[in-house]
Amino acid sequence: SQKIEQNSEALNIQEGKTATLTCNYTNYSPAYLQWYRQDPGRGPVFLLLIRENEKEKRKERLKVTFDTTLKQSLFHITASQPADSATYLCATGGSQGNLIFGKGTKLSVKP
Amino acid sequence: GAGVSQSPSNKVTEKGKDVELRCDPISGHTALYWYRQSLGQGLEFLIYFQGNSAPDKSGLPSDRFSAERTGGSVSTLTIQRTQQEDSAVYLCASSLPLGASGTGELFFGEGSRLTVL
Repeated sequence: SQKIEQNSEALNIQEGKTATLTCNYTNYSPAYLQWYRQDPGRGPVFLLLIRENEKEKRKERLKVTFDTTLKQSLFHITASQPADSATYLCATGGSQGNLIFGKGTKLSVKP
Repeated sequence: GAGVSQSPSNKVTEKGKDVELRCDPISGHTALYWYRQSLGQGLEFLIYFQGNSAPDKSGLPSDRFSAERTGGSVSTLTIQRTQQEDSAVYLCASSLPLGASGTGELFFGEGSRLTVL
């Protein structure tokens, strides 16, 4: 069955550094990947979508890559700030049109 | 309303009771999703409605769980004979089709926190 995995449950970095989060998928060739941010006690909020024919997508300090050979998407936050601390989720379309999520990576940015 | 609305925000019930959770999606959104999130865990897909198509129920964990969407708008998730392991936050989301929105982004409600004693 198709799987989407985020290898790191938690990532701790220093303010100002670049955070890099990984999302891997197996048994599937998704047409796109989405990234969401979730703060404690809140629903996830959409950040970016990248399609299979796009290598890279940027939005302000965020950058997402999509490598169909490695079956992997990387999510980067440059010049990270404590306010970036949250759980980041990747998601992709399931075989029946639904959307399945990875378990998320909890990012902590220390001042 | 401006966003996805869920009710109740909190529900405490006794084991064996039935509960109903409601989701009011963004007007015009054809897709509606239910997810379950246990403490510290990721989002577990439950069910997906898209327009007038038959819903994708492949994520429902048991036959105690059911959901319906009336008139292509409001949805109700029903859990019968609740068990303690049903305790979680139940999240609803709605979206436009990927082709219509360009991103297919899901708009989530704040969730209904269910506690089964």
